[in-house]
Amino acid sequence: QSVLTQPPSVSAAPGQKVTISCSGSSSNIGNNHVSWYQQLPGTAPKLLVYDNNKRPSGIPDRFSGSKSGTSATLGITGLQPGDEADYYCGTWDSSLSAWVFGGGTKLTVL
Amino acid sequence: QVQLQESGPGLVKPSETLSLTCAVSGYSITSGYYWGWIRQPPGKGLEWIGSIYHSGTTYYNPSLKSRVTISVDTSKNQFSLKLSSVTAADAAVYYCARHVADHFDYWGQGTLVTVSS
Repeated sequence: QSVLTQPPSVSAAPGQKVTISCSGSSSNIGNNHVSWYQQLPGTAPKLLVYDNNKRPSGIPDRFSGSKSGTSATLGITGLQPGDEADYYCGTWDSSLSAWVFGGGTKLTVL
Repeated sequence: QVQLQESGPGLVKPSETLSLTCAVSGYSITSGYYWGWIRQPPGKGLEWIGSIYHSGTTYYNPSLKSRVTISVDTSKNQFSLKLSSVTAADAAVYYCARHVADHFDYWGQGTLVTVSS
């Protein structure tokens, strides 16, 4: 059971928008930066968003991140079939003194 | 371009020590940042194991700390993971990654480790 809570799955049609939530506490999201990772089937995780809302070079602006209080959200617009993947949030937990990840959310593009 | 590549035995016997190495290319470990290990049991989520700085400073996941050792070899531009007394619960894909402050920006492709006699 992860200290960061994500919905197990989300789905939406191609071209639509979807959001994935990541809920934590003051010891993690509330006081630390959040990053998001995309894991396509059979591949390593890939950094999508860091420092809550920054995108690495090469990540399209269809992907966006935000944070409010002890929750963070990943937004994906203009969904494409290639976006089908597992998405993970991650941050430092000051109480655990450990880096923690959410349980992951499987995105299905209908 | 920064690249990381894990290597090591794909099969480890119960109670023995798992040993993996991560070779880094395109970036000198001594230039900065931390370097980390993350694992993913089959069909499950990600678990951070620990990270190391080029100076040798380490920090580990408290849940694994008693069994984990991460070391760095700057002459070979690589870092290593040792996990002792493994059980079936340690079977996973093990990833190495560059740990930049609040995120992991470059990841290796991962290596599957099975625990079985």
